[in-house]
Amino acid sequence: TQLLEQSPQFLSIQEGENLTVYCNSSSVFSSLQWYRQEPGEGPVLLVTVVTGGEVKKLKRLTFQFGDARKDSSLHITAAQPGDTGLYLCAGARSNDYKLSFGAGTTVTVRA
Amino acid sequence: GAGVSQTPSNKVTEKGKYVELRCDPISGHTALYWYRQSLGQGPEFLIYFQGTGAADDSGLPNDRFFAVRPEGSVSTLKIQRTERGDSAVYLCASSLTARYSYNEQFFGPGTRLTVL
Repeated sequence: TQLLEQSPQFLSIQEGENLTVYCNSSSVFSSLQWYRQEPGEGPVLLVTVVTGGEVKKLKRLTFQFGDARKDSSLHITAAQPGDTGLYLCAGARSNDYKLSFGAGTTVTVRA
Repeated sequence: GAGVSQTPSNKVTEKGKYVELRCDPISGHTALYWYRQSLGQGPEFLIYFQGTGAADDSGLPNDRFFAVRPEGSVSTLKIQRTERGDSAVYLCASSLTARYSYNEQFFGPGTRLTVL
């Protein structure tokens, strides 16, 4: 059983469209990280959020941490083919250094 | 600077054999983690080292799995009597310290293990 549930599992959109990926849990996390992983490579860290209600922007990517620190979302504006990949959320609970990952969302952006 | 490196990138072995997977963390990172990623899943925690000692090995699936980090840098994950269910990508990550729960972990490219 995954501690973090990601939705949707798969997402295929046209270049220029927007998309949102959700990461939900019944547990409280002291921090939550988003990674992007491409085939044959390890996950690459995109952002870390630590404060409830926090919003971080990274160019066309917007990350939000829920007020209760149980959920998060990743929004991509005007998606490009280069955004294609597996997006993973991962949370760390207080006093626990290991990350619990969601199963990931595979995003495909068609040119 | 160099990132986390893992060798080999691919390993094919037969059921029952012994394998070793190596991880070179980012220089200066004191914390090192091993995760396992099965097809279509996110990485699952195996073990974490702070320095030379295994601070948390609660994710190791059974006693066939063992990991060491004798000098506080390079780590080796060892799997005895491999089984087909061990087939997965084994990922290594390191972080500057594990003192804070929001420490940022940096991942290597992984070793793809296939047990025939």
